[in-house]
Amino acid sequence: EVQLVESGGGLVQPGGSLRLSCVASGFTFSSFWMSWVRQAPGKGLEWVANIKKDGSEENYVDSVKGRFTISRDNAKNSLYLQMNSLRAEDTAMYFCVRVAADWGQGTLVTVSS
Amino acid sequence: DVVMTQSPLSLPVTLGQPASISCRSSQSLVYSDGDTYLNWFQQRPGQSPRRLIYKVSNRDSGVPDRFSGSGSGTDFTLKISRVEAEDVGVYYCMQGIHWPWTFGQGTKVEIK
Repeated sequence: EVQLVESGGGLVQPGGSLRLSCVASGFTFSSFWMSWVRQAPGKGLEWVANIKKDGSEENYVDSVKGRFTISRDNAKNSLYLQMNSLRAEDTAMYFCVRVAADWGQGTLVTVSS
Repeated sequence: DVVMTQSPLSLPVTLGQPASISCRSSQSLVYSDGDTYLNWFQQRPGQSPRRLIYKVSNRDSGVPDRFSGSGSGTDFTLKISRVEAEDVGVYYCMQGIHWPWTFGQGTKVEIK
């Protein structure tokens, strides 16, 4: 059974940083593209970033380019999202996703003073 | 960015009756390999999204056969043949060919 468990969310002030983590199990992690998708409270879904199987390619939505960095450690079956210069509009539930098919439960990021 | 437009945005349905959601993309979703990368997701209240349909019409494992997807090019449809109480939630279409991948606004399905 595929499992994706996110952690690292919390309350942070505008301009601050957070690092989200996702530990994967139940599949060969190194064989799949991985992504982060977010959902602001009461709103729709937004694909934030994805990363190739070996980490050699990354893609970002324009609103986070230059501020967020997606990375992975295949030896640890782990996906990360380093979020810097956080803004109020980054407040959302962040989901770890395996090729659109499997989703974690999410970790909540709140950016507020 | 590719804009995904769903209709209706709210869909009250009677238990046991059919339901249909439309999704239109601003660009073709046909990839060079011939496949069309259009997915449908269900998000029940308080839960993570769950993929129901991939590549227009392929049901994911465990998805009841009352759910079906159809369409081509830029116009797609999700149908529920007979709505059950557990189908309440928000449904999203999503394109996975043009980065950034994008979702429709969501269609809220509720029981009348």
